Order: sequence, then C-alpha cells, then structure tokens
Amino acid sequence: ELKVEQNPLFLSMQEGKNYTIYCNYSTTSDRLYWYRQDPGKSLESLFVLLSNGAVKQEGRLMASLDTKARLSTLHITAAVHDLSATYFCAVGTPANAGGTSYGKLTFGQGTILTVHP
Amino acid sequence: EAQVTQNPRYLITVTGKKLTVTCSQNMNHEYMSWYRQDPGLGLRQIYYSMNVEVTDKGDVPEGYKVSRKEKRNFPLILESPSPNQTSLYFCASSFLGYDRGSAGYTFGSGTRLTVV
Repeated sequence: ELKVEQNPLFLSMQEGKNYTIYCNYSTTSDRLYWYRQDPGKSLESLFVLLSNGAVKQEGRLMASLDTKARLSTLHITAAVHDLSATYFCAVGTPANAGGTSYGKLTFGQGTILTVHP
Repeated sequence: EAQVTQNPRYLITVTGKKLTVTCSQNMNHEYMSWYRQDPGLGLRQIYYSMNVEVTDKGDVPEGYKVSRKEKRNFPLILESPSPNQTSLYFCASSFLGYDRGSAGYTFGSGTRLTVV
C-alpha cells in the first residue's frame, strides 16, 4: 500500500524567511503533484512533476522531485502572508493493472503553513 | 469554463436519511473520483470511475455508492448516512492515459456534509 508522508504537518514562519516542506512516498512513481488549499476552499494545482530531477518554480515556491529517493520538496523563499494555506503533495499511480494510464492520486496529510508578519 | 461542479456545497442531514451529492464535469474527462477530507488524514479516495459504467472502490468505500451512467456525471450516494461520514467531500476528474493524465486532477468546490 502506498504511503505518502509530509513533514512538517504544521509550519509557522516569519515573513521573509525560507523553509522547505518534505514529501516522502513509499513506492515507485514518477508522478508527483503539489496542491494548495485555502480555508474552506477547493484544491488548486501548483506543480506537476513528471520525471526524476524535475524542478519547477512559480514565484516564491519551488518544487523538486527525486524519484530514486522517493522524495519531493516544496521550498518557500522569502515567505509572505499570502502564502498562508495548507499544502498537499500527491503521488500518481496507475489506474489500471497494466500501468498504462495514470488516474489515482494518493495524498499526504497536508502541511498547514502560517506566515506571520 | 472548464470545471467540476458539485452540489450542494453544504448539507446537514440526520442519521439514516438517504442523500446524493452530485458531481458534473465539462472537460470530457474519463476518470472521475470522490475523496473525503478529514483533519490530519489528508484526502482519501472513496470510489473512482475510469469510464461510463466502470466504477471501483477506493481506500474508504464503506457506506457509499456511486454510479456512472453518463461520462460527465458521477454522483455519490449515501444510502444510510451515519455521523462518522461527517466530512468535506471533493469530486475530481482527469484524463486517463500516460501523457494526457499527467496534468492531474481538477477538483470541485467541495461539499461539507454534517450527519447528526
């Protein structure tokens, strides 16, 4: 059974600081997704990482994937209050036994990020 | 606009009273799925469907039913709701296929269900 673990689960940061959220998963996959969720809202796609060594950046967020270590990171640079939200990583696995189609996402527990002035 | 539409957004019901949460997508996605979100547990898959008339259990299917009679619709049915089904529910859809499915899910707005 695939397990996806994020840490930390709670992160309180000061504005201007840097930090990293880690996402470890237990079985082989080359599909890793990061989502953001604001309180009471739906999930918004941030990054899609589709190969070993993939790195993507958007504003103050940068995500990377190491499939050999089964690890993805979400790095926050110079945090601002607007980044306060819950962040989820999710691992994609085949939706069928043949492994020819990707459908299922298995989510981590989420990291609640709060950025203080 | 490409979207996944869930209804209702909020629902309070009593134990044992059957209810249906609707989900519709306009992107011609093959894959549709229901998740429930509970604090500290992330999102857990309830049921999924790979196409019309093709459905299967996810990780937490007990107490739920689904149907997929049309490609765009994937309703979630609680035949006899119980308080432990109080949760935030999300419907999601995506393309299948190794490349087309790579974009991940589009999520609905969520349904907050309370069973008393």
